[in-house]
Amino acid sequence: EVQLVESGGGLIQPGGSLRLSCAASGFTVSSSYMSWVRQAPGKGLEWVSVIYSGNSTYYADSVKGRFTISRDSSKNTLFLQMNSLRAEDTAVYYCARARGSYGPSYYYYYYLDVWGRGTTVTVSS
Amino acid sequence: EIVLTQSPGTLSLSPGNRATLSCRASQSVGRYFAWYQQKPGQAPRLLIYGASSRATGIPDRFSGSGSGTDFTLTISRLEPEDFAVYYCQQYGSAATTFGPGTKVDIK
Repeated sequence: EVQLVESGGGLIQPGGSLRLSCAASGFTVSSSYMSWVRQAPGKGLEWVSVIYSGNSTYYADSVKGRFTISRDSSKNTLFLQMNSLRAEDTAVYYCARARGSYGPSYYYYYYLDVWGRGTTVTVSS
Repeated sequence: EIVLTQSPGTLSLSPGNRATLSCRASQSVGRYFAWYQQKPGQAPRLLIYGASSRATGIPDRFSGSGSGTDFTLTISRLEPEDFAVYYCQQYGSAATTFGPGTKVDIK
């Protein structure tokens, strides 16, 4: 069964750091395109980051320079390192597998076919 | 950034009714378009991709249509488990974006 399980969320003070993990089963993270999406309390979905199978990474402007997406093939796990956290980063963070194809430009055009249950990050003093 | 506008914000219907949800993109995204269902406390679930292809395991009462800037999700006959929030997503640009959601609730 294809499954994603996130962990690592919690309560953190503004300016702090947190690393989220997303353990995959049923498929190989290292050869997949993977993404993080977040959802602030009572709000909609916001794309955060994506990592291509070739290790190219992309970020939303709101997190660029503060968040880093990566993966460990030996653990079949995706990560999101979050630094300089702000109150507005408070959200449920979902990891998801990205499926799609390359578009007219270099970018991979993808939808999200498998989602984890999410892990909650609360940034507050 | 491509902005998605969903309408209506809330749709109040009864089981057995037909539901029609709309999503409009601020610029053309071809058919790089998806729909998701989210129930309270759960992760989103992919329903439709490529504007009209149903994801694995999705009942055929769900259908998607459209291209360019205007897209529609239709639920032909609402089942009790279909009352949820529905999000659209465009992935026809470097930065994917989601719509604000349409809540389908029980009338």
